[in-house]
Amino acid sequence: DTGVSQDPRHKITKRGQNVTFRCDPISEHNRLYWYRQTLGQGPEFLTYFQNEAQLEKSRLLSDRFSAERPKGSFSTLEIQRTEQGDSAMYLCASSPNPRWGPKKAQETQYFGPGTRLLVL
Amino acid sequence: GQQVMQIPQYQHVQEGEDFTTYCNSSTTLSNIQWYKQRPGGHPVFLIQLVKSGEVKKQKRLTFQFGEAKKNSSLHITATQTTDVGTYFCAGARSSNYQLIWGAGTKLIIKP
Repeated sequence: DTGVSQDPRHKITKRGQNVTFRCDPISEHNRLYWYRQTLGQGPEFLTYFQNEAQLEKSRLLSDRFSAERPKGSFSTLEIQRTEQGDSAMYLCASSPNPRWGPKKAQETQYFGPGTRLLVL
Repeated sequence: GQQVMQIPQYQHVQEGEDFTTYCNSSTTLSNIQWYKQRPGGHPVFLIQLVKSGEVKKQKRLTFQFGEAKKNSSLHITATQTTDVGTYFCAGARSSNYQLIWGAGTKLIIKP
C-alpha cells in the first residue's frame, strides 16, 4: 500500500493523559498536513511541514499540541493533558511540492484514514 | 479571516434526482478543489479548478468556478447510491496556497 497511513486508527484515553499519533506520508511527498475533523464539519487545518520544517501552525492550536517531522518523512502529533474537547478525527495528508507558475495550480492532498480520538 | 461557506448542509434526494452544492468565499481564491468523503472514510480528491469561469465535467459531475473566483459549485446529474457521502470544497488562499475548507454538503439518498 503506497498511500498515507496513520497509527493508531482509534484511541480512547482519559482526560489529562498524553497521546501521540503517527502519520506516514506517501514516499517522496514533501508536504505533510495535520487536520482535525469533528462530526458534521470540514477538516480544520492544524499545521503543515515542508520536509522537516514546520512552516505554519494554526492560531487555534493550543500549546498542548505539538507536531514533529524530524527526518522529513513520518510525522507525529502529540496532545498533552487531553481534554474532552480534543475528541475528534485527526487526519494527516501529504502532497508533492506545489507547481508554481502562471496557472498557480495547487497540489492534490492525499489523506490517510485518520485517527479517531475519544477523551473520556 | 478568510472563510469558505458551503450550502446546503444536507440534501435529501430520490435516486435519479439531481444534486447541487455551492461554495462561496469571502475573498478571491487562487484555485478551488473538491473532495468527497464517504461515511466513515477520509476525504478523496475529485478535481481542481484554477481558471476564472472554468467548467469541468467528470461523467455525471459538473464543477464550475465563478468568474470572480469567489464561488464554485458541484452538480451531480441523476444521482446514484454510490454518490452518497459528503462533498467538500476547499479553496486556496492567494497568498500562500493553504486550503480553507467548507463545512461540506451531505448527500443523502432517500430510500
